[in-house]
Amino acid sequence: NAGVTQTPKFRILKIGQSMTLQCTQDMNHNYMYWYRQDPGMGLKLIYYSVGAGITDKGEVPNGYNVSRSTTEDFPLRLELAAPSQTSVYFCASSYSGVSGANVLTFGAGSRLTVL
Amino acid sequence: AQSVSQHNHHVILSEAASLELGCNYSYGGTVNLFWYVQYPGQHLQLLLKYFSGDPLVKGIKGFEAEFIKSKFSFNLRKPSVQWSDTAEYFCAVNKPNFGNEKLTFGTGTRLTIIP
Repeated sequence: NAGVTQTPKFRILKIGQSMTLQCTQDMNHNYMYWYRQDPGMGLKLIYYSVGAGITDKGEVPNGYNVSRSTTEDFPLRLELAAPSQTSVYFCASSYSGVSGANVLTFGAGSRLTVL
Repeated sequence: AQSVSQHNHHVILSEAASLELGCNYSYGGTVNLFWYVQYPGQHLQLLLKYFSGDPLVKGIKGFEAEFIKSKFSFNLRKPSVQWSDTAEYFCAVNKPNFGNEKLTFGTGTRLTIIP
């Protein structure tokens, strides 16, 4: 049971380039999330999804896009990379059949540097 | 805006010292409360959680946390820390609301244990 798998683990981008961070979970979780972690800032929610075909913005969605075509996959796309998007990105998933059961399983993270 | 505050940014302790990390939140009403831990080079994992019932919650590795509703607090404690407790600790809160299960994280507290 792999849990939440993120790829790539590291990536360096030039300003203006685009890329997709991949996230896959094999736990049949209906909820998935993308967070970014910056030093001294904690984790900020970028986008989340409560099920296939449904996505919604979090606290810091600007510059990012997501899609959720299947239960397992939740890719995060950066269209025009900017230095402000240098961060560590974490994908997470959870099952919440009833309100209050939300416990997140995190991926190992993707460290992105934009130069 | 809803927020989670962790006032201790970096705590340094000697082994066997007692630990208390503060967490305060600004939500009213019913909340779910969590502490997550990130050991060096690893991804975030759940340390303990509170949904309802006994306000004193016990987690893994000897950690516990107390929910004090009147103080909007959920402080993390451990009576005697070990070098292996060196990690970053994140408090997180959500308001139970089926279909809107988003966690808000604090900025984190880095804990360094000196052997």
